[in-house]
Amino acid sequence: NAGVMQNPRHLVRRRGQEARLRCSPMKGHSHVYWYRQLPEEGLKFMVYLQKENIIDESGMPKERFSAEFPKEGPSILRIQQVVRGDSAAYFCASSPLGTSARRNKQETQYFGPGTRLLVL
Amino acid sequence: TQLLEQSPQFLSIQEGENLTVYCNSSSVFSSLQWYRQEPGEGPVLLVTVVTGGEVKKLKRLTFQFGDARKDSSLHITAAQPGDTGLYLCAGGPDQTGANNLFFGTGTRLTVIP
Repeated sequence: NAGVMQNPRHLVRRRGQEARLRCSPMKGHSHVYWYRQLPEEGLKFMVYLQKENIIDESGMPKERFSAEFPKEGPSILRIQQVVRGDSAAYFCASSPLGTSARRNKQETQYFGPGTRLLVL
Repeated sequence: TQLLEQSPQFLSIQEGENLTVYCNSSSVFSSLQWYRQEPGEGPVLLVTVVTGGEVKKLKRLTFQFGDARKDSSLHITAAQPGDTGLYLCAGGPDQTGANNLFFGTGTRLTVIP
């Protein structure tokens, strides 16, 4: 049973270009989370998606960043007009069910190996 | 913004020594996870604790969740070089029902042979 897959593992872009990061969740998982890890910092939540729906994007920068999780295919994190400050490791995690305080249960999130984005 | 603070930030010890890493927050979480992250890889889940006061053991690792579910500790007995890595605590969901994990600042452990 393959784990969470992310590609590319490394991505180099020049300022102003677009970056597309892909995430294939574990088989049977329909919930995807994206996190960003800046150098020497902890992971910060960006967005939570379920198939074809954005559930929570409270951690996404207001501009240039977007995410989708189509019915078919991987989840995509898209960064337009990249700047040097976007250089970071971007991690995707998946879970079989969503997180819910009402259920008082944190579903285990399984992380991918990450995509390291370097903006020159 | 929820903040989980970990201490110490860096720890370098000799093989065979014991150590404890702390994770503290001002917020209450329904559960708390500990992850270990190797360079160039994603975090790998070690344990989830859900009940205040809960203690879980994983071989030489002992995890404890505070009674008030705001803090946790990770104790490693007889550390080995293979324990070297970045240890992260993460809490969620919080009282607002947020769907994501809130990660701590991390403890970078180096075990010297």
